[in-house]
Amino acid sequence: DADVTQTPRNRITKTGKRIMLECSQTKGHDRMYWYRQDPGLGLRLIYYSFDVKDINKGEISDGYSVSRQAQAKFSLSLESAIPNQTALYFCATGVGETQYFGPGTRLLVL
Amino acid sequence: KQEVTQIPAALSVPEGENLVLNCSFTDSAIYNLQWFRQDPGKGLTSLLLIQSSQREQTSGRLNASLDKSSGRSTLYIAASQPGDSATYLCAVKEEIQGAQKLVFGQGTRLTINP
Repeated sequence: DADVTQTPRNRITKTGKRIMLECSQTKGHDRMYWYRQDPGLGLRLIYYSFDVKDINKGEISDGYSVSRQAQAKFSLSLESAIPNQTALYFCATGVGETQYFGPGTRLLVL
Repeated sequence: KQEVTQIPAALSVPEGENLVLNCSFTDSAIYNLQWFRQDPGKGLTSLLLIQSSQREQTSGRLNASLDKSSGRSTLYIAASQPGDSATYLCAVKEEIQGAQKLVFGQGTRLTINP
């Protein structure tokens, strides 16, 4: 089984809809991250959490919110989706010098 | 603000060739630099991590170098194979607002032709 899982893997939604992307990990790591990847721009950090009670904004947090329900679960919400949030979203966990990435969620906002 | 740039954006070479991927960064105050491999549908996998005090790291056919003073890193792949086809990303770890974070380059999409 994968150590970092993301659901759904693919999602199509309409402008204005609220959607949630979920991330679960079995590695027991305290640190969790949400990134988005756009063609030609690399990965950019949206939010990160160093433990259940610690949530921090990243480089591009506007339009997003997160919830750390437990050490193993970190969810990303788009309160009112817009087309420029179409991207590939990655969740990651971290320990020491290393981050472990999930397989990604491909989101299309029409 | 740290900027990480990877050149070229895409590269296609015949199988068996040795090749070099380039990564540059604008701020030398980094903790480390990592090279990742990204396969479609499988997320990112860490290949090599070089601490700021190190000059290079090797793993099998891969060798990564770091010249912090000039803001450059290279990933050398020896005797390339079709299975090496993927997107390669470099990322530097730096401290931003009291927390250590990764800043990624745009990636180089590598195709190895049989």
